[in-house]
Amino acid sequence: DAGVIQSPRHEVTEMGQEVTLRCKPISGHDYLFWYRQTMMQGLELLAYFRNRAPLDDSGMPKDRFSAEMPDATLATLKIQPSEPRDSAVYFCASSRTQNEKLFFGSGTQLSVL
Amino acid sequence: AQSVAQPEDQVNVAEGNPLTVKCTYSVSGNPYLFWYVQYPNRGLQFLLKYITGDNLVKGSYGFEAEFNKSQTSFHLKKPSALVSDSALYFCAVRDLTGGGNKLTFGTGTQLKVEL
Repeated sequence: DAGVIQSPRHEVTEMGQEVTLRCKPISGHDYLFWYRQTMMQGLELLAYFRNRAPLDDSGMPKDRFSAEMPDATLATLKIQPSEPRDSAVYFCASSRTQNEKLFFGSGTQLSVL
Repeated sequence: AQSVAQPEDQVNVAEGNPLTVKCTYSVSGNPYLFWYVQYPNRGLQFLLKYITGDNLVKGSYGFEAEFNKSQTSFHLKKPSALVSDSALYFCAVRDLTGGGNKLTFGTGTQLKVEL
């Protein structure tokens, strides 16, 4: 398996634009997580899914962020409108069950100018 | 609420010397503990985990961690450090009894191994 695949690796956009981050989890993994990493806050859990259903998105700013899993092979994280404070590395991770280790993607480096 | 503390932002050690990266946790129930490592421009990689059983857990790349319930600690150790061990290390915890699926990470400790 190729592991968790995220795209794009880098995204530079201007404030106010819509940004869509994509993630392909490992086949057969039931759990999907979105994390954000910044120097100031460290790793923050934004949202997670089980079998494509959202379980918790309390870590996301609701007014501008949305997370979905249109199918088992694709998860998206959308930011609209984007702001400079959203600049961070966004990681997607998946796991087979709730007690197993997470497999992380390589992340998307987002810069909002 | 569950939380993790990594009291050291950076740990420096000479190659060949033993290393310890500290972690303490707080949960209301039984803890499920992890260590992950992050190399530059990469995602986190799993090192080891503790859920129950032997307090000394062995993991990847010669790392091990000791669970101490009375001190609520889960320190990462390696008997002999390598330059290639230099990376960012994260401790994480999940409360098995009522914490849901959330895995809470510490702020990370930068390990620097020098020749």
